[in-house]
Amino acid sequence: GAGVSQSPSNKVTEKGKDVELRCDPISGHTALYWYRQSLGQGLEFLIYFQGNSAPDKSGLPSDRFSAERTGGSVSTLTIQRTQQEDSAVYLCASSRGLAGNTQYFGPGTRLTVL
Amino acid sequence: AQSVTQLGSHVSVSEGALVLLRCNYSSSVPPYLFWYVQYPNQGLQLLLKYTTGATLVKGINGFEAEFKKSETSFHLTKPSAHMSDAAEYFCAVSRPGAGNNRKLIWGLGTSLAVNP
Repeated sequence: GAGVSQSPSNKVTEKGKDVELRCDPISGHTALYWYRQSLGQGLEFLIYFQGNSAPDKSGLPSDRFSAERTGGSVSTLTIQRTQQEDSAVYLCASSRGLAGNTQYFGPGTRLTVL
Repeated sequence: AQSVTQLGSHVSVSEGALVLLRCNYSSSVPPYLFWYVQYPNQGLQLLLKYTTGATLVKGINGFEAEFKKSETSFHLTKPSAHMSDAAEYFCAVSRPGAGNNRKLIWGLGTSLAVNP
């Protein structure tokens, strides 16, 4: 079956612009995660969606970051008024949502803020 | 709070030599443990994981890892390195049990180079 897909694969934007990153999880996976991978910071958790529960937004670095998940499937991560420090690879993962279930990762979106 | 430490950001081995990548964790309860691999220009792929049961777990491509609670470690090994093993390796943990966010807490990664 299809894996996790993300779009766009690359995004170059100017400082101050808003960007939207999209994630299509594996069909049937109830849990969806966003992570950020940047040089010197490694991988860091951003936000977690599980079914119809309220998302865990504890990893979002500032209020410029937001995410939603529509219909329990596709998710969009929005970054407003982008800053150069937002440059990173944004990774989406999905899983069946049970403890210990493997998280399957998409290829990521490389965001460059000029 | 949970944390993961990977000793050695860069490891270099000869083809055919033993691969040992170290991972230690800090957690108030024994966590679930994962090793992921990221090949150049590819996405993250699960190598192996420990949740419950046998503490020695085998993964793909001949890798294995052993959960040692007393040492809070989950080191990754492979008896004989192959050129195709050159990649970035990440150790990660998550909290066990129901009702918890399964977010992964990551180490900073170890870049493995395999020399001919």
